Amino acid sequence: DTAVSQTPKYLVTQMGNDKSIKCEQNLGHDTTYWYKQDSKKFLKIMFSYNNKELIINETVPNRFSPKSPDKAHLNLHINSLELGDSAVYFCASSQGIGGEQFFGPGTRLTVL
Amino acid sequence: GQSLEQPSEVTAVEGAIVQINCTYQTSGFYGLSWYQQHDGGAPTFLSYNGLDGLEETGRFSSFLSRSDSYGYLLLQELQMKDSASYFCAVGESNNAGNMLTFGGGTRLMVKP
Repeated sequence: DTAVSQTPKYLVTQMGNDKSIKCEQNLGHDTTYWYKQDSKKFLKIMFSYNNKELIINETVPNRFSPKSPDKAHLNLHINSLELGDSAVYFCASSQGIGGEQFFGPGTRLTVL
Repeated sequence: GQSLEQPSEVTAVEGAIVQINCTYQTSGFYGLSWYQQHDGGAPTFLSYNGLDGLEETGRFSSFLSRSDSYGYLLLQELQMKDSASYFCAVGESNNAGNMLTFGGGTRLMVKP
């Protein structure tokens, strides 16, 4: 069983579109994260979600909105996609904040 | 704010030992983690240091000196499969909660 899963694995879309990436973890962890990894492999945290408390990284545009229907899911919705949003997006989870993080396989987003 | 410095690239031969250094500046520091990422893959946890000293896990060891804001990852008996990117990540507590901030990664190339 996959511990942290993401769908889709690849996402190609046009500028201006709205898209969502889904994340599910079956580890029973209470903290979930979203990271963006750019072409230079810099891995930057976007959000963390702990027991329904959302912690937002202030550098993330408000076009990005995480949605957590329950502890096992933290989906990422992106409005009005821009070229600069092209990157690999990883969700991750940990037990408690700051523990070992388990990453999903990533979603490669390409905005044309 | 916080910053992490690690070398961008390291090359070594099979069977050798390599050390990847990481220096950091942050407030609210609580620990240093190391993650490995193969091309096209997801980051995977290698080790964590919350206290000063050396942590050993098989061929990999990690060291932390909190007073020097410095740590390193030591890889022994290098194998071709160790070719990957290695990220140090500082755990930081601040008003937004506890989060990991990743360094830019060190690309390790192991040659025959």
